[in-house]
Amino acid sequence: QVQLVESGGGVVQPGRSLRLSCAASGFTFSDYVMHWVRQAPGKGLEWVALISSDGKNEYNVDSVKGRFTISRDDSRNTLYLQMSSLTPEDAAVYYCARARGYWYYPMDVWGQGTTVSVSS
Amino acid sequence: DIQMTQSPSTLSASVGDRVTIACRASQSISAWLAWYQQKPGKAPKLLIYKVSSLGSGAPSRFSGSGSGTEFTLTISSLQPDDFATYYCQQYNTYPWTFGQGTKVDIK
Repeated sequence: QVQLVESGGGVVQPGRSLRLSCAASGFTFSDYVMHWVRQAPGKGLEWVALISSDGKNEYNVDSVKGRFTISRDDSRNTLYLQMSSLTPEDAAVYYCARARGYWYYPMDVWGQGTTVSVSS
Repeated sequence: DIQMTQSPSTLSASVGDRVTIACRASQSISAWLAWYQQKPGKAPKLLIYKVSSLGSGAPSRFSGSGSGTEFTLTISSLQPDDFATYYCQQYNTYPWTFGQGTKVDIK
């Protein structure tokens, strides 16, 4: 079945780095745009970043620009989020999600999330 | 960025009630609006896309309407499985943005 499984979360000190992974299965990964969305404890959803199906285009939200990098490895059916210079405001559950296209397609399948805590 | 505002923030209702949640965009998003359902500790699930199209596996008691800047999610007859938080989201313009959520709880 179609599945996205995130991993790589944990507790990290402010200013440090962390890399999240999202393993895809049950569909042709290379056909899909992939997104990261996060949810701070007790808060709503915040879209973070996307990467196009061919890996050539990326967008991210202003609050992570210059600190977070999204990438994909289609040979491994895996999406990544490299996070650096982490702050307590980055603490959240991070979800990966897929979309059929770059424009005008919603996120139709989500992973279960991985938790990032930022604390000294 | 496009701001999405939902109302109410919390809604208390009983099984069988007709429930309506509103979502307003700060500028026109045409028909590029989705609704998601989220239960505690779980990932969001796509309910409605393109204002009124039902997502895969979403029950037919859910429906959406609206255009431009004003949108509505309706649950025709609330079921026990529907007690959850609902988010609207625009996918017209990056960065994509969500409403703050509406929690539907038991009256």
